Amino acid sequence: DTEVTQTPKHLVMGMTNKKSLKCEQHMGHRAMYWYKQKAKKPPELMFVYSYEKLSINESVPSRFSPECPNSSLLNLHLHALQPEDSALYLCASSQGGTGVTGELFFGEGSRLTVL
Amino acid sequence: AQKITQTQPGMFVQEKEAVTLDCTYDTSDPSYGLFWYKQPSSGEMIFLIYQGSYDQQNATEGRYSLNFQKARKSANLVISASQLGDSAMYFCAMRGIIQGAQKLVFGQGTRLTINP
Repeated sequence: DTEVTQTPKHLVMGMTNKKSLKCEQHMGHRAMYWYKQKAKKPPELMFVYSYEKLSINESVPSRFSPECPNSSLLNLHLHALQPEDSALYLCASSQGGTGVTGELFFGEGSRLTVL
Repeated sequence: AQKITQTQPGMFVQEKEAVTLDCTYDTSDPSYGLFWYKQPSSGEMIFLIYQGSYDQQNATEGRYSLNFQKARKSANLVISASQLGDSAMYFCAMRGIIQGAQKLVFGQGTRLTINP
């Protein structure tokens, strides 16, 4: 079983809806990530939180709003999305720090469909 | 800039055969990490194996080994005695410091199909 839990697993929303994706880990990791993955493509980095502070925003549109309430939780707030935002959204965590060792642990993803 | 290249969009292998998935990378940083992940149809990214740029020996994890050739900038994944459950998408990834922050960048992936 994955140690990174994402909810919901599936989400269908209209373009005027407001929804949130949730991610939780209890491994004591201090870095958390959101990735977006379109069908048959590799994951693309969206945001990185390091020690609960936003450290990377890959020029993501403002209709995606990340939030890190504490070291175990990561949310992605969604508002006024477009159909092209439909994708698998993957959350990941790692031990953090400035080294390049240590794998990212991924959740199972939230599959989002925007109508 | 850092770049990961996987040149095999798809591979078909008979069960119990060994398979090599290719990965080349490009970076000017002396310190980096190379990873392989497996993604079954369920969507979860499963970590398989890691190789650090300063590691002298090739990494091994059970049936997985990483053929690391630093001078050629290649990090191929070798799966021995393939099983039907190995059918999945495989991503090579590189972790490094880009613009002062850690990032994990993925290659385009290789879809592996194991035939009975």
